Amino acid sequence: GQQVMQIPQYQHVQEGEDFTTYCNSSTTLSNIQWYKQRPGGHPVFLIQLVKSGEVKKQKRLTFQFGEAKKNSSLHITATQTTDVGTYFCAAYDTGRRALTFGSGTRLQVQP
Amino acid sequence: DAMVIQNPRYQVTQFGKPVTLSCSQTLNHNVMYWYQQKSSQAPKLLFHYYDKDFNNEADTPDNFQSRRPNTSFCFLDIRSPGLGDAAMYLCATSVDLAPLGREQYFGPGTRLTVT
Repeated sequence: GQQVMQIPQYQHVQEGEDFTTYCNSSTTLSNIQWYKQRPGGHPVFLIQLVKSGEVKKQKRLTFQFGEAKKNSSLHITATQTTDVGTYFCAAYDTGRRALTFGSGTRLQVQP
Repeated sequence: DAMVIQNPRYQVTQFGKPVTLSCSQTLNHNVMYWYQQKSSQAPKLLFHYYDKDFNNEADTPDNFQSRRPNTSFCFLDIRSPGLGDAAMYLCATSVDLAPLGREQYFGPGTRLTVT
């Protein structure tokens, strides 16, 4: 089945530093979604990327979808303590009609 | 507010004692999903209902069953819980527009403890 690798597993940054998490697949993805899960919370949808080379921004968050649609990244500029949580990428599997989640990147922000 | 509701939020059951978790939604979404999430891991899809069609993941144990009596409700039955089934169980919904899929809305989860 479809597999999505996500790195790093964990990142600890000082508040104000930037953060990036990467998602990679060996197969071409139809689309990729990003979710954030706060400690003790549930995943919350952030964004969906569909087009090759697509770049979307949400305030300090920048999402990219690779030209070959096999990788994606989430970049946070000038992290804040409110950014703490685990960020998951998730690829939509058209055969299963379901998402395959990456392993997640846990972000810790030191005030 | 439209939302996904899960009951109970915390459930303690004994080893081998059947347990049912419930999920309801006011979003009128056609797809409902059940995920299992263990500590520091990604959500793992157990199965989902696409309208009335049940879709079981290949590696979901037979111990896990599901029912969707109507659009709004979905249940997860664990017939004989083992210690390894202790986890957070997340229900999610979406309006699926194949082939792309749409965002999923997650409920707050039910934390299951097996004693």
